[in-house]
Order: sequence, then structure tokens, then C-alpha cells
Amino acid sequence: AQSVAQPEDQVNVAEGNPLTVKCTYSVSGNPYLFWYVQYPNRGLQFLLKYITGDNLVKGSYGFEAEFNKSQTSFHLKKPSALVSDSALYFCAVRDKVYGGATNKLIFGTGTLLAVQP
Amino acid sequence: ETGVTQSPTHLIKTRGQQVTLRCSSQSGHNTVSWYQQALGQGPQFIFQYYREEENGRGNFPPRFSGLQFPNYSSELNVNALELDDSALYLCASSPPLGTSGTYEQYFGPGTRLTVT
Repeated sequence: AQSVAQPEDQVNVAEGNPLTVKCTYSVSGNPYLFWYVQYPNRGLQFLLKYITGDNLVKGSYGFEAEFNKSQTSFHLKKPSALVSDSALYFCAVRDKVYGGATNKLIFGTGTLLAVQP
Repeated sequence: ETGVTQSPTHLIKTRGQQVTLRCSSQSGHNTVSWYQQALGQGPQFIFQYYREEENGRGNFPPRFSGLQFPNYSSELNVNALELDDSALYLCASSPPLGTSGTYEQYFGPGTRLTVT
């Protein structure tokens, strides 16, 4: 079964410093990976995806993610954190159930990013 | 371009009652998925609708049911509400395969359901 793991419940970083939010995956075959962000009392906002191609994926709001097949990781990164980046971040993988749902996402448990001014 | 909208925003129900939540998909999107997000957890897939039919279901009992309409909007119905059904219910729409944004899901703001 497909799954993703986010090993850190919370990540603290000072404004202006680089940030990394970790995600590892377990899938059969090639993974389709996603990052979403959730602000308080809001739905999820799509940040970026990896389907195929370059291992470094660029997304919204200056975020990027690096796909590493050998380490089965898809870490989210940003060169310089902003206080407004403080939110809950979810990594997700598309579940491959042939003949069934084509867009089912399996989410990690989330990582709370806190950026201090 | 109008995003995904959901109604109502908040809802309080009593155990044993029934509830209907509504979702309007983003313009051009033909697939709608529903997720349940309990407090402090990641969203859990309930089911997906495509061409007005359910074409995938997560580990949820039959008292969770849905509909999709010709305009691609959708409803989530929950019968015999239980306390554990208290959660944020998220609707997400997706564009047709092969178009820009394939496999991406765009979420609405959610409906907060409280069961007492």
C-alpha cells in the first residue's frame, strides 16, 4: 500500500533562514507526489507536484521540492523563510488503484512550520 | 475563475441525525473527491465521483454516501451521525486527465461538522 511519512510534527526556523520540511514515501512503481499547505480554519492549497522529469520541482510562493528516488524522499524547501509561511504542511501521494479512484490522495500526518521573526 | 466552494461553513448536529454537505467544483473540473479531516490529522479519502458515479471509495461505512450532478457539483450525505464524525469535511475538484493540472486537486475551504 502507498504511504507517506512526515517525521517531524513541528519545524521551527527564523525568518530569512532556509527551511526544509521532510517527507518520505513508500510506493510500488513510480510515485506521484504532492505538497499542500493549510492555514488555520482553511482548506488545503496546492503547492507543487512531482509526476516525472526533473528531480527539482518548483512551486507556488517560492517553494520547491527535491525528489530523491534512492532515499525515497520528497522534501519541501524554501531558500528564505517568511513569517507568513507559518502553517501546516502536508505531503501526499496519489494512490494507484487501477480501475478505481484515479485521484485518491494519501496524506501524511502534517508538519507545523513556525517561522519566528 | 471561481474556485471550489462548500456550504455550509459550520454545522452542529445531534448524534443519530442526518446531514448533507454541498460542493461546487472549480470551473472546468469534472471530478470531485471528498475527504474527512479529524482534528490534528491529515485528510482521509472518503470517495470520488466522476461522470455522476462513484469510482473509488476509502475505508468509510455505507452511511457515508454522495451524489454528483450534471454540472459536476456534489453532495456528501452522512446518516446516523456518530460523535466520531465530528471533523472538517473537504471537497476537492480535479481537471480532466490530459489537461493542464492533471492529477492536481483543488480544495474548498471545508465544512466544519460538530456532532453532539
